[in-house]
Amino acid sequence: AQTVTQSQPEMSVQEAETVTLSCTYDTSESDYYLFWYKQPPSRQMILVIRQEAYKQQNATENRFSVNFQKAAKSFSLKISDSQLGDAAMYFCAYSDSGGGADGLTFGKGTHLIIQP
Amino acid sequence: KAGVTQTPRYLIKTRGQQVTLSCSPISGHRSVSWYQQTPGQGLQFLFEYFSETQRNKGNFPGRFSGRQFSNSRSEMNVSTLELGDSALYLCASSLIGGLDEKLFFGSGTQLSVL
Repeated sequence: AQTVTQSQPEMSVQEAETVTLSCTYDTSESDYYLFWYKQPPSRQMILVIRQEAYKQQNATENRFSVNFQKAAKSFSLKISDSQLGDAAMYFCAYSDSGGGADGLTFGKGTHLIIQP
Repeated sequence: KAGVTQTPRYLIKTRGQQVTLSCSPISGHRSVSWYQQTPGQGLQFLFEYFSETQRNKGNFPGRFSGRQFSNSRSEMNVSTLELGDSALYLCASSLIGGLDEKLFFGSGTQLSVL
């Protein structure tokens, strides 16, 4: 079974600075998908970024980028120019199929605090 | 376009009762997934429905069941509630659950079992 580990229960960063959230995973598959989701106090999970394992290029979405190290099974999220609205729980997730029909496996989450 | 709608937002039940939660996917979406979120276990996949058929299932006891209607709306049912069933139940939808699709989540139903 696949597992996802987020070793940082909480992270704090000053507004406008850069922060990196860590995630490691375990799988025996060669093709898979990795995600970062954001869950603000509204509780709705919002997709931040997605990475297909067969793509060597790291995914980027505006201020959000990932460092995907397939051999090390590592998938970290970098948030540049942190904003107050970035404060939320961040979850790393894994799926064998990109659409998630077979279910996403989530890490325990990292609580990101943005200091004004 | 309306997002994924879950009702009710909050629910309080007592042990031994049963409960039904509802999820209306985004219009046109036919795949609906359910997740349980607790402080201890985190987010766990319950099951996924497509075209009124359960296509995938997580590792939960038979007390947890679901169904999907012809309009793609889905319900999940928990029978004989236990204290440990207290959780946020999240629903997510996508077009068909295909490889390049994005999952859209609702805001969840917070279930408290007393």
